[in-house]
Amino acid sequence: AQSVTQLGSHVSVSEGALVLLRCNYSSSVPPYLFWYVQYPNQGLQLLLKYTSAATLVKGINGFEAEFKKSETSFHLTKPSAHMSDAAEYFCGGGGADGLTFGKGTHLIIQP
Amino acid sequence: DSGVTQTPKHLITATGQRVTLRCSPRSGDLSVYWYQQSLDQGLQFLIQYYNGEERAKGNILERFSAQQFPDLHSELNLSSLELGDSALYFCASSVSTGGIYEQYFGPGTRLTVT
Repeated sequence: AQSVTQLGSHVSVSEGALVLLRCNYSSSVPPYLFWYVQYPNQGLQLLLKYTSAATLVKGINGFEAEFKKSETSFHLTKPSAHMSDAAEYFCGGGGADGLTFGKGTHLIIQP
Repeated sequence: DSGVTQTPKHLITATGQRVTLRCSPRSGDLSVYWYQQSLDQGLQFLIQYYNGEERAKGNILERFSAQQFPDLHSELNLSSLELGDSALYFCASSVSTGGIYEQYFGPGTRLTVT
């Protein structure tokens, strides 16, 4: 079964600094991978998804993620953090039976 | 706005009671998923329906059940409620079934069991 692991339950960066949120997956078949964001008191919103078309995936709000098969990773990055990026981020893996989510990473932006 | 609606937004009830959460998927979406989000368990997949039929089961308790109606809306029934059932319950929908299809999440129903 597809599973994903997010490294770091909390990540704190300064405004303007690079954002790096880590996600590793395990699967024996080509995965479908997603990043979702959850703002306070809201549902999850899709940031980006990987479906094997391209290894570098660009999403909304300036985020992107790179699929690295050799490292079984799908880390999320953004060159310059904004205060509005403060939220919970979930990496998810899609299998035949829907999504499996990681535990989530709470992104804190320091002014 | 994802196009997925959930009612009610908040629900407060007592232990031992039964509640029903309702979800209307995006127009045209045939799959409905239910998730539970709590501080200790994180976001957990409960169950999926596709075009009225149960498609997949996750960590759903026997006290919980769901169904999808001909108009494609879905209901999640939670019975014999316990304090530990307090959580945020999300519904999501997708156009079809399978991991390749992105899911659109509703705003959630916050259940508090006292």
